Amino acid sequence: ILNVEQSPQSLHVQEGDSTNFTCSFPSSNFYALHWYRWETAKSPEALFVMTLNGDEKKKGRISATLNTKEGYSYLYIKGSQPEDSATYLCAFTGANNLFFGTGTRLTVIP
Amino acid sequence: DTGVSQDPRHKITKRGQNVTFRCDPISEHNRLYWYRQTLGQGPEFLTYFQNEAQLEKSRLLSDRFSAERPKGSFSTLEIQRTEQGDSAMYLCASSLRAANYGYTFGSGTRLTVV
Repeated sequence: ILNVEQSPQSLHVQEGDSTNFTCSFPSSNFYALHWYRWETAKSPEALFVMTLNGDEKKKGRISATLNTKEGYSYLYIKGSQPEDSATYLCAFTGANNLFFGTGTRLTVIP
Repeated sequence: DTGVSQDPRHKITKRGQNVTFRCDPISEHNRLYWYRQTLGQGPEFLTYFQNEAQLEKSRLLSDRFSAERPKGSFSTLEIQRTEQGDSAMYLCASSLRAANYGYTFGSGTRLTVV
């Protein structure tokens, strides 16, 4: 079992604030790093899959960076909106399946 | 194709009973995964199939758990002689290939053992 850590565990921000979370993972035997958004009562939704050191990906107001040498990834949300409230999960894959962190629970206060 | 569907959404069962969950993946996806998520934890890997072959099982999957994927389409996860510790959200996901492709998850089956 691989150790994937996310911080913070939970976060409350005001609407309009920008925020970021951290995911740390083993730097050896790296294949890919996934980010998912999981809203209550819905399915986890894939945000990004990153494979290369230095990768930066963007989807609307959300972006992510990847450092495979030091084993971390950041997820950024610019101008948070109430609909961004969700649990953000990162997952590391060595080969055949995903190892998830415990997630960061984001609450955006209107 | 509307995504990955799981049935039932919720299941309440008495300790000692057997339960079976079903997952219908995206039809083009040859890989299917089962995960379990308990409160305060991220999803934990249970098992995965490539087509009809079960290629990997976690040590979390005790002998009371069995999963099948006949004909490489839908999958079932059965838990025999349920225990209170089995209460969790059981998630199914499918993907086209490993590693570099995002998984498509179902909404999960919430199991409560009383």
